[in-house]
Amino acid sequence: EPEVTQTPSHQVTQMGQEVILRCVPISNHLYFYWYRQILGQKVEFLVSFYNNEISEKSEIFDDQFSVERPDGSNFTLKIRSTKLEDSAMYFCASMIRQPTDTQYFGPGTRLTVL
Amino acid sequence: AQSVTQLGSHVSVSEGALVLLRCNYSSSVPPYLFWYVQYPNQGLQLLLKYTSAATLVKGINGFEAEFKKSETSFHLTKPSAHMSDAAEYFCAVSDYNTDKLIFGTGTRLQVFP
Repeated sequence: EPEVTQTPSHQVTQMGQEVILRCVPISNHLYFYWYRQILGQKVEFLVSFYNNEISEKSEIFDDQFSVERPDGSNFTLKIRSTKLEDSAMYFCASMIRQPTDTQYFGPGTRLTVL
Repeated sequence: AQSVTQLGSHVSVSEGALVLLRCNYSSSVPPYLFWYVQYPNQGLQLLLKYTSAATLVKGINGFEAEFKKSETSFHLTKPSAHMSDAAEYFCAVSDYNTDKLIFGTGTRLQVFP
């Protein structure tokens, strides 16, 4: 069964450094998402992406964050200058069409900012 | 604004007992409701969803949930718990205006032999 994959599974970085989290969505899906879960807190929506542009973003998704689909398969989340509070599990999800279809989630990347 | 409340951050049941995980939602428009499960070190997997069709929704692994508009609830049940059901369960809401999912805080289910 097709699945969403994410790399790396765990990323450790120093405060102020840039990180890129990578996702490979399911191949025929058109809608892409990033969510995050700070330890002990709820899963929070960050951004949705369709047709090579952001369709919706949350207040969390400030100028330090960006997303890109650099080729036909990858979907990336970049954090330009990481802060301690960016430490979280980041989940990528993809969906064929909106909004009643299922979002399929990847296993997540645990980001630790020191 | 939409929101989801999951009552009980931890639920413990014996194997074979009824599982009941509670979810109440708030939405100004007809909601779409979802239950996801997260096993250790894995991503979120859809258990079931309600998108304005039948109010009783059956999902994978013997789980089901009933949409009750009058109670603004979407509780998840399973008649007989299995050890393999031990996981974290998340209720989520969206609607026709948006496809972003708003999640609850999750309920960790423990199953004892």
